[in-house]
Amino acid sequence: GEDVEQSLFLSVREGDSSVINCTYTDSSSTYLYWYKQEPGAGLQLLTYIFSNMDMKQDQRLTVLLNKKDKHLSLRIADTQTGDSAIYFCAGLGHGGSQGNLIFGKGTKLSVKP
Amino acid sequence: DAGVIQSPRHEVTEMGQEVTLRCKPISGHNSLFWYRQTMMRGLELLIYFNNNVPIDDSGMPEDRFSAKMPNASFSTLKIQPSEPRDSAVYFCASSLQRDNHEQYFGPGTRLTVT
Repeated sequence: GEDVEQSLFLSVREGDSSVINCTYTDSSSTYLYWYKQEPGAGLQLLTYIFSNMDMKQDQRLTVLLNKKDKHLSLRIADTQTGDSAIYFCAGLGHGGSQGNLIFGKGTKLSVKP
Repeated sequence: DAGVIQSPRHEVTEMGQEVTLRCKPISGHNSLFWYRQTMMRGLELLIYFNNNVPIDDSGMPEDRFSAKMPNASFSTLKIQPSEPRDSAVYFCASSLQRDNHEQYFGPGTRLTVT
């Protein structure tokens, strides 16, 4: 089944770009997602990319997908203190896990003023 | 729409007590998911329903855990008896249909078992 790995922590300065990386194992995942979790809240879908795409841009967010290396990244331009949160990478499961989202453990982004 | 609603937001109980967590999915959504989040294990899917029918409960830790969805607008997750290792944040999420990629999460229930 799908396994998703992320680094646990990232610290950046306000105004810099943040890049959060993720690797996954199931090459048949049709969608890959980034969710954001602010303190004390549930997860919120930030963006997603279909597996036949290499890149998707949405305002300050850029998602890059390297299918060959099974590597997904989320770039946040002009990072703000309000971007401090935990970011989860997730893949859509298949087979017995069809319809399930398989989440990584999350990357905690800290933005310093 | 109010989004996914969970209650209670916080629950503190003693070991051995029964705990019931409640969830109201977004109106019109056909799939409902229960997750558990801990520091050690991250976010784990416990069970999900499609059209009120449990599809996959392989994530349910043991027989002490049970979940029901009696109708399209309500689901419960019950732990009986509760144990300290059940302490976690429990999230409910819903989506339009099983293969829909947009899951909407509730705010979670923080459970502490002493």
